[in-house]
Amino acid sequence: NAGVTQTPKFQVLKTGQSMTLQCAQDMNHEYMSWYRQDPGMGLRLIHYSVGAGITDQGEVPNGYNVSRSTTEDFPLRLLSAAPSQTSVYFCASSSDYLTDTQYFGPGTRLTVL
Amino acid sequence: DAKTTQPPSMDCAEGRAANLPCNHSTISGNEYVYWYRQIHSQGPQYIIHGLKNNETNEMASLIITEDRKSSTLILPHATLRDTAVYYCIVQRMEYGNKLVFGAGTILRVKS
Repeated sequence: NAGVTQTPKFQVLKTGQSMTLQCAQDMNHEYMSWYRQDPGMGLRLIHYSVGAGITDQGEVPNGYNVSRSTTEDFPLRLLSAAPSQTSVYFCASSSDYLTDTQYFGPGTRLTVL
Repeated sequence: DAKTTQPPSMDCAEGRAANLPCNHSTISGNEYVYWYRQIHSQGPQYIIHGLKNNETNEMASLIITEDRKSSTLILPHATLRDTAVYYCIVQRMEYGNKLVFGAGTILRVKS
């Protein structure tokens, strides 16, 4: 299994540009999440999904959209990038929201100029 | 939601046990204690979790006090590769898997 994969690894955007961060997992996990991590800080939840077709907001959802059309994929969309969205983005998945562990991807480092 | 308190940093000599404390005095009865770590610039990695009893796996041991208000993660023989930020997390029992990460403890293992 490849686990959780994220693309791209690095991205530089100009203010106002849009892009999609890709996340895929091959473990047949129902639960997937997106987090952002700013320098020197812990991770903050952006959006999460408990299964295909179901998504919900986390702590910092503004400026981001998600969709979950398949179990495997959970893309994160930035509609109009802002410098405040410069961060490292991590995707995670798990099979059981109550007790199971989360598996994290390697992260995408995004810089918005 | 239960919150956790961890020391901002700790040092440990290579080969010695690293004992990382965590306070979670407002934890409720059905909340689990999770430990994750994040090695520089990588995604967080699961270490161990527990509810009431002490737990041990190939990576670490988790000691939870009887009143569940605090816990200790023990790395029995720390190596330089264990240098990382360690997060103690209390799992919210809500619909959806939403780990809430605090600032964690920076563990520096020194030779």
